[in-house]
Amino acid sequence: DAGVIQSPRHEVTEMGQEVTLRCKPISGHNSLFWYRQTMMRGLELLIYFNNNVPIDDSGMPEDRFSAKMPNASFSTLKIQPSEPRDSAVYFCASSFAAYVLQETQYFGPGTRLLVL
Amino acid sequence: SQQGEEDPQALSIQEGENATMNCSYKTSINNLQWYRQNSGRGLVHLILIRSNEREKHSGRLRVTLDTSKKSSSLLITASRAADTASYFCATVNSGNTPLVFGKGTRLSVIA
Repeated sequence: DAGVIQSPRHEVTEMGQEVTLRCKPISGHNSLFWYRQTMMRGLELLIYFNNNVPIDDSGMPEDRFSAKMPNASFSTLKIQPSEPRDSAVYFCASSFAAYVLQETQYFGPGTRLLVL
Repeated sequence: SQQGEEDPQALSIQEGENATMNCSYKTSINNLQWYRQNSGRGLVHLILIRSNEREKHSGRLRVTLDTSKKSSSLLITASRAADTASYFCATVNSGNTPLVFGKGTRLSVIA
């Protein structure tokens, strides 16, 4: 398996622009997680899905952030409009959990976002 | 929210030495996991220890868990330059909740 795939790997955009980050989880995994990592805040869980359904989006910083998972093999995280403080590395992770969301997570390589 | 806190924040050792990192947490857990992150990469799972386990080994890694002290340690024996990375503990409390990561320990192994 290719592992968790994220695109793009790097994104530079200007304030106010829409940014869409993409993730393809490992085939067969039923849980997907979006994280944001910065030096100041560390690794923050933004939202997670189980069987394509958003379970908890309490970590999403504000309404400018939205995430979707239209099917088991694809998810997007959208920021509209983007702001300089959104600059961070965004990770997608997936796992297989029969009953709970407590098992090993497999991380993608991340998208490094810079908003000017 | 419950969060593991790693100690120390940074650690620098010579190649061949052992490296010990600690993690403390606040409430009862179901399991505790350790991850490694190389610079510019995603996190990689190292080991998972359940609340009813006290010690686990994987290659040069040894993890201990003391639920009475709400703490865990990760020992890397005979360290190598390639072990240079950040190490995170992640805790899971009871219930259907996802991992909560600490801020990590930055380990530098000098050749």
